[in-house]
Amino acid sequence: EAQVTQNPRYLITVTGKKLTVTCSQNMNHEYMSWYRQDPGLGLRQIYYSMNVEVTDKGDVPEGYKVSRKEKRNFPLILESPSPNQTSLYFCASSPWTSGYANEQFFGPGTRLTVL
Amino acid sequence: AQSVTQPDIHITVSEGASLELRCNYSYGATPYLFWYVQSPGQGLQLLLKYFSGDTLVQGIKGFEAEFKRSQSSFNLRKPSVHWSDAAEYFCAVGNFGNEKLTFGTGTRLTIIP
Repeated sequence: EAQVTQNPRYLITVTGKKLTVTCSQNMNHEYMSWYRQDPGLGLRQIYYSMNVEVTDKGDVPEGYKVSRKEKRNFPLILESPSPNQTSLYFCASSPWTSGYANEQFFGPGTRLTVL
Repeated sequence: AQSVTQPDIHITVSEGASLELRCNYSYGATPYLFWYVQSPGQGLQLLLKYFSGDTLVQGIKGFEAEFKRSQSSFNLRKPSVHWSDAAEYFCAVGNFGNEKLTFGTGTRLTIIP
């Protein structure tokens, strides 16, 4: 089944304890992206990647890191989480063709709470 | 910078009634426009998209949307809603390369019997 998977689905942690949220897609998509969803703010893009070893900042990159060493994986790293990073996180992937309205496929989400 | 406005935070509609969700966008060129739906506890699913051509686009689950360049709008419509349509709906605009997708703040739809 074609899908985007995220792990863990739920995570409660404490301030300053490094964590990684994994994202994997099995559709051979070039493009991957991370979003955070907060009430009243919709989804905001954190980072995106156009292909392996190519990443760029979205609208809210502060406090996050990403890497794209393999096409299928795009982990989100919080090196020193803070309470304002408590949010619902979504990973998405897309086949990406320039000049075309490419659909992004979303994972199920990771609900992160930072105490 | 591109942006999307969904002026209605919450809409309540009776089952069987028609629905229109509003979306206004700001983008300097021809936009790529999307409507996504998020059911409770789920990820986002694409309902429909506009790239070019016919300004009235059909999507899944009986939804349609009309692109109106003069009004910078891309409103979502459904002639008769079902209880299963209760969800949150997001309008989004993509840039030319489509690497950047900007979402609106969403409209929560409640269906009453």
